[in-house]
Amino acid sequence: QSVLTQPPSVSAAPGQKVTISCSGSSSNIGNNYVSWYQQLPGTAPKLLIYDNDKRPSGIPDRFSGSRSGTSATLGISGLQTGDEADYYCGTWESSLSAAVFGGGTELTVL
Amino acid sequence: EVQLVESGGGLVQPGGSLRLSCAASGFTFSSYWMSWVRQAPGKGLEWVANIKQDGSEKYYVESVKGRFTISRDNAKNSLYLQMNSLRDEDTAVYYCARDKGRADIGIRFDYWGQGTLVTVSS
Repeated sequence: QSVLTQPPSVSAAPGQKVTISCSGSSSNIGNNYVSWYQQLPGTAPKLLIYDNDKRPSGIPDRFSGSRSGTSATLGISGLQTGDEADYYCGTWESSLSAAVFGGGTELTVL
Repeated sequence: EVQLVESGGGLVQPGGSLRLSCAASGFTFSSYWMSWVRQAPGKGLEWVANIKQDGSEKYYVESVKGRFTISRDNAKNSLYLQMNSLRDEDTAVYYCARDKGRADIGIRFDYWGQGTLVTVSS
């Protein structure tokens, strides 16, 4: 059971927008920065969003992040078949002095 | 170009030991927190441990405390994970990752290695 809760799967049609939620508590998301990662099949994870809403260079603005209270959200607009992947949120859990990830969300672009 | 290259994985019996290495290049290794993250077959990501720039602070996930030790050699641009008393549930691909910020206020793993597979089985 992950400290951070994500939906196991989401799906949407090409060109549409999808959001992936990440629910936590005051000891993790509520007081620490959240990052999001994309993992394509058979590859290492890739940083998409850090510090709740910042994009590393090279990440298209189709990807966005936000945080409100103890939850965070990843948004992906203009969906492409190449976006099919697993997505993970992560942050620091202050009560454990440990980093934590959500269980991951599988995105299907129908 | 930033590169992280893990090595040292393999097949080991339960109760055995293994030492993973991560060779870093293309950046000032001594300026970054570094982490190990693992992924069991078909499962999600699990953070294992991290270490501060100078090695003065180290943190571990509860399940490996007392069994795993993270260390670094800034002169050799290398990160290590000494794994003892290995269990079946430690079977996973182990990634090293660079953290672009302060680890205790959030994680920002901006570069990852390709991973090395550790299989614990009799």
